[in-house]
Amino acid sequence: KAGVTQTPRYLIKTRGQQVTLSCSPISGHRSVSWYQQTPGQGLQFLFEYFSETQRNKGNFPGRFSGRQFSNSRSEMNVSTLELGDSALYLCASSLWGTQGQPQHFGDGTRLSIL
Amino acid sequence: DQQVKQNSPSLSVQEGRISILNCDYTNSMFDYFLWYKKYPAEGPTFLISISSIKDKNEDGRFTVFLNKSAKHLSLHIVPSQPGDSAVYFCAASGNSGNTPLVFGKGTRLSVIA
Repeated sequence: KAGVTQTPRYLIKTRGQQVTLSCSPISGHRSVSWYQQTPGQGLQFLFEYFSETQRNKGNFPGRFSGRQFSNSRSEMNVSTLELGDSALYLCASSLWGTQGQPQHFGDGTRLSIL
Repeated sequence: DQQVKQNSPSLSVQEGRISILNCDYTNSMFDYFLWYKKYPAEGPTFLISISSIKDKNEDGRFTVFLNKSAKHLSLHIVPSQPGDSAVYFCAASGNSGNTPLVFGKGTRLSVIA
């Protein structure tokens, strides 16, 4: 069974640009969550999508947005990039959410802002 | 306000011995707890979980203990192997709908041969 796939694995952008990251969940999983990991900060929750609807949102500015398609694939967009957005962005999927079941993670997209 | 805390940033253990990783939480609404392992350049891998109705869950070399009154959980790895060297994250979720997972900052485990 294929795992969670994130593309691209690495990305370099400059300040002010925008970026779109992609996530394909495990087949049959309808919940997709996004996290940001920076050194020393652990994983910070960005948002969760279920059946094409945003169900939860973390404490991030409006520059961070996402969407989910009918096949459960999800994209995350960051506009007007700042140096502080340099991080590992992780996507996780599960059957229906976080209640009593684990989320399964992809290997992430490493975003570097110059 | 850090709701899930892993107070030890690192831990070194000899091969064959027991590794004990600790995690404390502050939110009494958490009812499901998980441990993940992360190698460099890879995403976190789910290891083991425990529901708040239990106080112990075991899977092979990995055992998680939950002490609800102390709001504390621990992961025991016995025996520790060099391949267990990784960063371990504790995570928790609440019982009110699909609340997001809240992660600790991780503990780096080094198993020395």
